[in-house]
Amino acid sequence: TQLLEQSPQFLSIQEGENLTVYCNSSSVFSSLQWYRQEPGEGPVLLVTVVTGGEVKKLKRLTFQFGDARKDSSLHITAAQPGDTGLYLCAGAFVNTGTASKLTFGTGTRLQVTL
Amino acid sequence: EAGVVQSPRYKIIEKKQPVAFWCNPISGHNTLYWYRQNLGQGPELLIRYENEEAVDDSQLPKDRFSAERLKGVDSTLKIQPAELGDSAVYLCASSSGPGQTQYFGPGTRLLVL
Repeated sequence: TQLLEQSPQFLSIQEGENLTVYCNSSSVFSSLQWYRQEPGEGPVLLVTVVTGGEVKKLKRLTFQFGDARKDSSLHITAAQPGDTGLYLCAGAFVNTGTASKLTFGTGTRLQVTL
Repeated sequence: EAGVVQSPRYKIIEKKQPVAFWCNPISGHNTLYWYRQNLGQGPELLIRYENEEAVDDSQLPKDRFSAERLKGVDSTLKIQPAELGDSAVYLCASSSGPGQTQYFGPGTRLLVL
């Protein structure tokens, strides 16, 4: 079983603070995705990264894919209460032979308070 | 455009009872996925369909779980009999094809007592 570890598991911060969430594996990804899931809802895709070293920005969110395509990070600048939710990374591993099989991380639960 | 629809949203049953979940994917999406999400965990794939064919069911506990997608559109996932450890959120997702973006439904939250 290929594991995808996320850290930290829980994060409680105040509005305006910055934070970084990490996603790590010992195997190489063909692509990696970040999702946000709110209570009672399914995960919603934020971004897909495919190239080693790739950086993508989505407003205050910055996503980085490691050079070796084994890790990724999500950085949020000036967090707002609306950023509260469960952040999941999900990777398609090269050795599964298919981009359709996603392995999800355990998630990082973020709470942003006023 | 409507998203992925799942029903019921919540289900409470006693152990050893059967239960079924229904999913209607986004119109035109040929690929359909069923995931199970335990509390505090990420989703785990149970089965993936390409049209009506189950192309990956390696993670489906076949002794008690079954799924079908007879006409390549709607799908049902059944558990018979349910066990306490089956309590989880069951998510359905669809995509326009293999490797394309997966869109998730809101899930069915199952509690087995």
